[in-house]
Amino acid sequence: EIVMTQSPATLSVSPGERATLSCRASQSVSINLAWYQQKPGQAPRLLIYGASTRATGIPARFSGSGSGTEFTLTISSLQSEDFAVYYCQQYNNWHTFGGGTKVEIK
Amino acid sequence: EVQLVESGGGLVQPVRSLRLSCVVSGFTFDDYAMHWVRQAPGKGLEWVSGISWNSDNIGYADSVKGRFTISRDNAKNSLYLQMNSLRAEDTAFYYCVKDISSGGAYYFDYWGQGTLVTVSS
Repeated sequence: EIVMTQSPATLSVSPGERATLSCRASQSVSINLAWYQQKPGQAPRLLIYGASTRATGIPARFSGSGSGTEFTLTISSLQSEDFAVYYCQQYNNWHTFGGGTKVEIK
Repeated sequence: EVQLVESGGGLVQPVRSLRLSCVVSGFTFDDYAMHWVRQAPGKGLEWVSGISWNSDNIGYADSVKGRFTISRDNAKNSLYLQMNSLRAEDTAFYYCVKDISSGGAYYFDYWGQGTLVTVSS
């Protein structure tokens, strides 16, 4: 089973600043990596798939990069609605989620 | 409008069984793989199980293998999860989730609102 590790667990950022979230796979997942955003009381929402392709309706301030075992989600200028928990997911061998990164207001 | 509506959650004693159901609408159910994903209160997401459009390809997380069984009825636009030998650590919200592919090996584009399963004596 592929293990996905996200860091940091919590990221404190001021509105308008850049946020960089990391996700590491225990073995290569190629670019079979997605990112989701989850707000309290809501189901997760797909942000990025194929490591770097934005899902429909996702603002350009969200970008993904990486391949193999190292991936990054960058939010270029944090808006108030972006404070949430973010999960990476590998789908190279069935599915595994990372433990999540909570982006909170600094 | 795509809708996924879970039901069947509730309070159940350890080692007992429970069956979850998910009825979908707004898309052609038998064109897509489906999954169950769970989330313990205040914790992260855990993929539980997935099933391809024709039930030929089924997978389980190690944590539930041998205890949970996923199935689907395409005629009823329904997905199921039979959960046996339940443990306290199975306590979670269980989400019904749609894959973007038919085989089950891609990412997820629609989620239900979840049904809560509480395992406690």
